[in-house]
Amino acid sequence: GDSVTQMEGPVTLSEEAFLTINCTYTATGYPSLFWYVQYPGEGLQLLLKATKADDKGSNKGFEATYRKETTSFHLEKGSVQVSDSAVYFCALGNTPLVFGKGTRLSVIA
Amino acid sequence: DVKVTQSSRYLVKRTGEKVFLECVQDMDHENMFWYRQDPGLGLRLIYFSYDVKMKEKGDIPEGYSVSREKKERFSLILESASTNQTSMYLCASSSPGGGRTGELFFGEGSRLTVL
Repeated sequence: GDSVTQMEGPVTLSEEAFLTINCTYTATGYPSLFWYVQYPGEGLQLLLKATKADDKGSNKGFEATYRKETTSFHLEKGSVQVSDSAVYFCALGNTPLVFGKGTRLSVIA
Repeated sequence: DVKVTQSSRYLVKRTGEKVFLECVQDMDHENMFWYRQDPGLGLRLIYFSYDVKMKEKGDIPEGYSVSREKKERFSLILESASTNQTSMYLCASSSPGGGRTGELFFGEGSRLTVL
């Protein structure tokens, strides 16, 4: 069946460091791919998405590119801030969505 | 502002009690979902519903049931709570295309502790 694998955390970075959170998927067909973010004490919210191969989703300085050849959708940000501390979930767009296990990011000043 | 509202942020119950978790959305969404979130396991789908009075089992339905009598409300029921049901429960909703567009809207979660 369809599945999503993302790197295990926690990830701890200093402010202004470069962030990569790896995500790979297994799926039939070409589903949409998503990143969700969960800030402390809150529910999940959609961060960005890509609906077809080679699409780049972006939001709040985060980016991810849909790579069909490597079945990947890695999340990147060039300079993280303390306010980016959260849990990040990669998801694959079936109905219902298939989520990865989440990666906790902590950014220290 | 669109919202998914879960009735209780924190609950403490005893083993064997019947527990109701309520979720209401104001976006007129057809689809509604219940997940549980546990450290190291991520989000796991318990039940979902595509329409009033319809329900589908997710990945871990054992020990749970659901009710969808009105479009805006989706209730999760633990018939006889057990300690292994201690968890964070998240409700979400989406429009019919939500599974493809990724537009799931989540509530803030209900943290249940079963003693």
